Amino acid sequence: EAGVTQSPTHLIKTRGQQATLRCSPISGHTSVYWYQQALGLGLQFLLWYDEGEERNRGNFPPRFSGRQFPNYSSELNVNALELEDSALYLCASSLGTGGPYNEQFFGPGTRLTVL
Amino acid sequence: KQEVTQIPAALSVPEGENLVLNCSFTDSAIYNLQWFRQDPGKGLTSLLLIQSSQREQTSGRLNASLDKSSGRSTLYIAASQPGDSATYLCAVPSGASKIIFGSGTRLSIRP
Repeated sequence: EAGVTQSPTHLIKTRGQQATLRCSPISGHTSVYWYQQALGLGLQFLLWYDEGEERNRGNFPPRFSGRQFPNYSSELNVNALELEDSALYLCASSLGTGGPYNEQFFGPGTRLTVL
Repeated sequence: KQEVTQIPAALSVPEGENLVLNCSFTDSAIYNLQWFRQDPGKGLTSLLLIQSSQREQTSGRLNASLDKSSGRSTLYIAASQPGDSATYLCAVPSGASKIIFGSGTRLSIRP
């Protein structure tokens, strides 16, 4: 069974640009979560999508947005990039509508570097 | 507000030792607790998930216990190997909408 996949592996952008990160969940999983892991700051919850709807977002500015497609894959968009957006962005998926009560499975991450 | 703490932040032990990693949480009304492993610059690998009704879960050389009343979980690693070197994180659901992670314990196994 294929795990959670993310693309690209690495992304280099300059300040002010936009970044788009992609995630494909495990087959049969309907929930997708996005996390930011900046150096020294630990894992911070960004967004949760389930059945195409945004269910919750963490304490991040509106520059961070996303969507979930009918096939349950998801996209994270970061507009007006700032240097402090440099981080590892992790996507996770889980079964059903239990949300974070269900076991989460993580992808390998996208390393975003903002110059 | 749920807070998750992992102590120590880093641990170095010689190969072959048994060791215990600790995870504490402030709100004992948890639904479950999940332990993960993260290799440098990589994603998280799910190790064990303990439901609130369980006391422990085992997978190979790993054993995780849960004591809700004291707000603690431990991850026991038997006969440690250099390949066990990684950061170990615990996480609990917070409300019905997100997961709170501890800051992790960085484990180094010396050959």
